[in-house]
Amino acid sequence: DGGITQSPKYLFRKEGQNVTLSCEQNLNHDAMYWYRQDPGQGLRLIYYSQIVNDFQKGDIAEGYSVSREKKESFPLTVTSAQKNPTAFYLCASSIGGDNQPQHFGDGTRLSIL
Amino acid sequence: AQKITQTQPGMFVQEKEAVTLDCTYDTSDQSYGLFWYKQPSSGEMIFLIYQGSYDEQNATEGRYSLNFQKARKSANLVISASQLGDSAMYFCAMKRRFNKFYFGSGTKLNVKP
Repeated sequence: DGGITQSPKYLFRKEGQNVTLSCEQNLNHDAMYWYRQDPGQGLRLIYYSQIVNDFQKGDIAEGYSVSREKKESFPLTVTSAQKNPTAFYLCASSIGGDNQPQHFGDGTRLSIL
Repeated sequence: AQKITQTQPGMFVQEKEAVTLDCTYDTSDQSYGLFWYKQPSSGEMIFLIYQGSYDEQNATEGRYSLNFQKARKSANLVISASQLGDSAMYFCAMKRRFNKFYFGSGTKLNVKP
């Protein structure tokens, strides 16, 4: 079954610690995205990548970093510089064409210990 | 600049009745796609329906239909015969050039028995 896998489902971060959220897709999609969602709010774009070895900052990139070394993988690192990381993080992918939707993973809930 | 506007933070509907969720968008592109997603309390994003900017007919998918008024730049979602399982957050999204997506702030729909 093709899809997007995010892991872990729940993650806890200590003060001053970097943590990495995994996102893997087997849909052969070129574009991948990371969103942050706070309770009761909409999705805010953190980073997105159109192709391997290339990525662009979204609206709230500060305190986050990404890499795109393989087409199927787009990990997100939440650094210690992100002072308020508690949120729900969604990874998505898409293929070109106006009629192609984004496909989403099931999300990772990150909390501060 | 806000590109997708959902003006209804929350709505109630009686079971078996129809409900319309509003969405307006802003773009100068000629070619774009409009999407609606459902997000249950569990967090996953479920793609519901798509409308292309060049489509002359309104899209329909089962109980979902999209009321597309291009001149008004609106893409309202209509859910017919509401069910209890329709209670969720609903997001309107627009896809523009370079696989870039823009999301509205969402509407929380509560279906009353």
